[in-house]
Amino acid sequence: GAVVSQHPSRVICKSGTSVKIECRSLDFQATTMFWYRQFPKKSLMLMATSNEGSKATYEQGVEKDKFLINHASLTLSTLTVTSAQPEDSSFYICSARYRGPASGANVLTFGAGSRLTVL
Amino acid sequence: QKEVEQDPGPLSVPEGAIVSLNCTYSNSAFQYFMWYRQYSRKGPELLMYTYSSGNKEDGRFTAQVDKSSKYISLFIRDSQPSDSATYLCAFHPQGGSEKLVFGKGTKLTVNP
Repeated sequence: GAVVSQHPSRVICKSGTSVKIECRSLDFQATTMFWYRQFPKKSLMLMATSNEGSKATYEQGVEKDKFLINHASLTLSTLTVTSAQPEDSSFYICSARYRGPASGANVLTFGAGSRLTVL
Repeated sequence: QKEVEQDPGPLSVPEGAIVSLNCTYSNSAFQYFMWYRQYSRKGPELLMYTYSSGNKEDGRFTAQVDKSSKYISLFIRDSQPSDSATYLCAFHPQGGSEKLVFGKGTKLTVNP
């Protein structure tokens, strides 16, 4: 249980185009999903928290207009990189939370990640 | 002082060795402790999860938490080449933000 599917796994695009990445919770409902970015040999950097039916909450330094997040249903969140530039090339990973066995605990299940290369 | 400290390695061990991975943290509000394993070019997967001091064992893996010292460890017994991955510690406060705080990860290579 608690599977998160992310698509596409890999995308190559030209500068200036927009790229959409989908994140789906397959066997549970996720009211909250998280989008991370990971550079080579670096840890996960939280970009934004996606809440179903409301606006995403972005971390400091993350451009809202560059990284559009939509969480239209309890099982789907999308990240759109608008007017992608080479510096946006990175590994983007989504995750969804589900309740751990202990009350109050939140455990994240991650998607497999999407590698974006902007030429 | 950083909120989470994790030695990035890399750590290279022979097959069958016992591996010890560690993280220290400074935030006393952290109440839940997790270890994630991340294979190259993949998303992290949850390995171990605990919320109390002491040891928790799952197969070849043992998670150890020492809240008084703010120190957590992951032990891997009889390490296998398939254990080669980056291991990330993660922390979550009780009743606080839902955001997890991650360590930078330790890259482990188990040589056959």
